[in-house]
Amino acid sequence: QKEVEQNSGPLSVPEGAIASLNCTYSDRGSQSFFWYRQYSGKSPELIMFIYSNGDKEDGRFTAQLNKASQYVSLLIRDSQPSDSATYLCAVKVTGTASKLTFGTGTRLQVTL
Amino acid sequence: DAGITQSPRHKVTETGTPVTLRCHQTENHRYMYWYRQDPGHGLRLIHYSYGVKDTDKGEVSDGYSVSRSKTEDFLLTLESATSSQTSVYFCAIRKTGTGDNNSPLHFGNGTRLTVT
Repeated sequence: QKEVEQNSGPLSVPEGAIASLNCTYSDRGSQSFFWYRQYSGKSPELIMFIYSNGDKEDGRFTAQLNKASQYVSLLIRDSQPSDSATYLCAVKVTGTASKLTFGTGTRLQVTL
Repeated sequence: DAGITQSPRHKVTETGTPVTLRCHQTENHRYMYWYRQDPGHGLRLIHYSYGVKDTDKGEVSDGYSVSRSKTEDFLLTLESATSSQTSVYFCAIRKTGTGDNNSPLHFGNGTRLTVT
């Protein structure tokens, strides 16, 4: 079992809809969770991070964390074509010198 | 770009030759990381550094070495490049000074390495 799992997609949503991206992790010692966006041929860029159970909102993005069920999700409201990218989930385990373990990413396509 | 410069941006080399990739930061952050990214595997940690001359291995360190003689530079060396090391290499930093051990990583623009 991979430490961080994501559905590779592609996830296709129409413009203006809500995109829901999911990530599960295996290590219960995981303490912080990150979502990165990566456009083709570019480097990952940080969208959001979350440490505590519940929801965290930043503009059109909401991160949701459920430690009991070991999943973290990213909601993108009012999806735009510019949101089309690969979304990487990353997890930091306690006491690991800030090493992040990444999922393989979910490719999102926002259609007109 | 978080003040990170990777060089070269692209490189083609032959099997068996040594290759060194450079990561330079302008902000004196303590933690620096080298990841490689391959289809189907995502980003995987090769080596990381937590200070000058302080380095440690990641999950895919075989065939790679690193050096950090100055805070601003983190070098990744492939002693004898193999075709399996064809990949995109990303350097990352953790911005310190925030008092938060959970702060995220910020990535450079990457180096695309092809070993023929």
